[in-house]
Amino acid sequence: GQQVMQIPQYQHVQEGEDFTTYCNSSTTLSNIQWYKQRPGGHPVFLIQLVKSGEVKKQKRLTFQFGEAKKNSSLHITATQTTDVGTYFCAGKKDSFWETSGSRLTFGEGTQLTVNP
Amino acid sequence: NAGVTQTPKFRVLKTGQSMTLLCAQDMNHEYMYWYRQDPGMGLRLIHYSVGEGTTAKGEVPDGYNVSRLKKQNFLLGLESAAPSQTSVYFCASSYRRAGYTFGSGTRLTVV
Repeated sequence: GQQVMQIPQYQHVQEGEDFTTYCNSSTTLSNIQWYKQRPGGHPVFLIQLVKSGEVKKQKRLTFQFGEAKKNSSLHITATQTTDVGTYFCAGKKDSFWETSGSRLTFGEGTQLTVNP
Repeated sequence: NAGVTQTPKFRVLKTGQSMTLLCAQDMNHEYMYWYRQDPGMGLRLIHYSVGEGTTAKGEVPDGYNVSRLKKQNFLLGLESAAPSQTSVYFCASSYRRAGYTFGSGTRLTVV
């Protein structure tokens, strides 16, 4: 079945440092989504990437979708304590037949801690 | 606008007991999902529904059943709880190709 892998599993940074998490799929994806989960909270949708090579920015966050649509990355510039949490990527398998609804396969997440 | 509401928020069950988790959404979303989250394993799909009256199995459906009698509600049932079902359960809903809106979760402990 489809697998989505994320690295690193954990990342600890000093406030102000940059942070990057990587996501790789075993199959081509039709789209990829990113979520953030604060400690003790629930996942919150951040963004969706659909096109090959797509790059989107949200303030200090930059999201990329690979040319082959099998990998993605999230980069945070100058981390702040408010960035603490677990970041998940989630991919939808590229399929002509929309028989699986909009089901996503989630990566295991990257847990980010920020030292003030 | 409540979004996705899960009840209960916490529950402790004894092995062999049954229970139903309720998920309600007020966004008129067609698609609804049940995930479980365990440490180091991310979110795993249990069951999902693409519309009222339809359900389908996800990655880890064994030991669970679901029903979607009304568009806004998606119920997850445990017929005979086992300690391996101790987890945090999240319900989510979405439009067809959009991001998910998650509920706040149910923390279930089976002793």
